Amino acid sequence: RKEVEQDPGPFNVPEGATVAFNCTYSNSASQSFFWYRQDCRKEPKLLMSVYSSGNEDGRFTAQLNRASQYISLLIRDSKLSDSATYLCVVNRPPPGYSTLTFGKGTMLLVSP
Amino acid sequence: EPEVTQTPSHQVTQMGQEVILRCVPISNHLYFYWYRQILGQKVEFLVSFYNNEISEKSEIFDDQFSVERPDGSNFTLKIRSTKLEDSAMYFCASRDPGSTGELFFGEGSRLTVL
Repeated sequence: RKEVEQDPGPFNVPEGATVAFNCTYSNSASQSFFWYRQDCRKEPKLLMSVYSSGNEDGRFTAQLNRASQYISLLIRDSKLSDSATYLCVVNRPPPGYSTLTFGKGTMLLVSP
Repeated sequence: EPEVTQTPSHQVTQMGQEVILRCVPISNHLYFYWYRQILGQKVEFLVSFYNNEISEKSEIFDDQFSVERPDGSNFTLKIRSTKLEDSAMYFCASRDPGSTGELFFGEGSRLTVL
């Protein structure tokens, strides 16, 4: 099983749509979870951290299920500017706990 | 807003040549990282650095790679004898010790090995 696995995509959606991304991770000892966004040929940038109780930031909602080792990201009311690759990111368990492991990413294309 | 800066933005080199990629992390950060991303593939961890020494490295980070913090601000990645497969975008990142783990990335250095 890959360390971090994501839907391969791409996801093509119209503006205003709701889209959900899924991610699974292999190591149950991982403790920190993130969604990063990467625009084409740019650096990854933090979109949001993912907390055990789930968390929301405007149109974005992240969920974590530790028992299933599953993370999700929901984007409501998609905008053209949401078009990017969404990276599921998990920290390594100790002793490498400060090191982040990236999924391959799911590309989102939002069309008018 | 403080940012991680990297130079050069793009370097083209011949196979077998040495390359040094430079990074200036955010000034109060103490953890530093190099990641790479081959075109179309995922972001891969190379090495982490803390307290003037390597704290972790991946299988990719073999004897051809080295890192250094020669002064109080720069953090460099050296590839001694480049191979074709070293062609990639190399990202430097840094982390605030008080954070929950967020990494701040530079814009990357694109390395093309011919």
